[in-house]
Amino acid sequence: EAGVAQSPRYKIIEKRQSVAFWCNPISGHATLYWYQQILGQGPKLLIQFQNNGVVDDSQLPKDRFSAERLKGVDSTLKIQPAKLEDSAVYLCASSLRYSGVLGETQYFGPGTRLLVL
Amino acid sequence: EDKVVQSPLSLVVHEGDTVTLNCSYEVTNFRSLLWYKQEKKAPTFLFMLTSSGIEKKSGRLSSILDKKELFSILNITATQTGDSAVYLCASGSNTGKLIFGQGTTLQVKP
Repeated sequence: EAGVAQSPRYKIIEKRQSVAFWCNPISGHATLYWYQQILGQGPKLLIQFQNNGVVDDSQLPKDRFSAERLKGVDSTLKIQPAKLEDSAVYLCASSLRYSGVLGETQYFGPGTRLLVL
Repeated sequence: EDKVVQSPLSLVVHEGDTVTLNCSYEVTNFRSLLWYKQEKKAPTFLFMLTSSGIEKKSGRLSSILDKKELFSILNITATQTGDSAVYLCASGSNTGKLIFGQGTTLQVKP
């Protein structure tokens, strides 16, 4: 079974520039998550999709971050304009089903390391 | 506010030692407690716990959940250098949302 794919793996940009990350979840997984992991901290959920609908985007800084999952499969996360504090690893994860089921295991991609100068 | 707290934040041991990592949580709509190992980039899944008092075991790793006292522990026996990593615990809610702790960095010296 192929895992969660993400690209690019690394990105260096200057502040105020824009950047986009791409994620392809495990085949058949309905739920997709984007996390931000700042160095020394645990991942923080930015947005959760169920198929192509948003379930939770309460911690997404909507003035600069946007995400979409138009066909319910792959997803893009965009930052525009980037700030220094956006430097982090952006992790995408997927799970088989929408959880209402007892604790759904999420599988993570390799992440994209973003450095904003 | 929902929160997950791990302790210790970092730990240095020698090969062969046994370690215990702690995770406490205060989360509404709690459904499960998950442990992940993070070596370079992506967290890899270790355990998911949903019932109190039932130990889950995989090789030298084991974990248990106490839903009354709201904590979980992860034990690693006979540690090896390959166990060096950040260990993350996360609470899972009924929406599938995971709230992560800050992680425990384990270094195992030869």
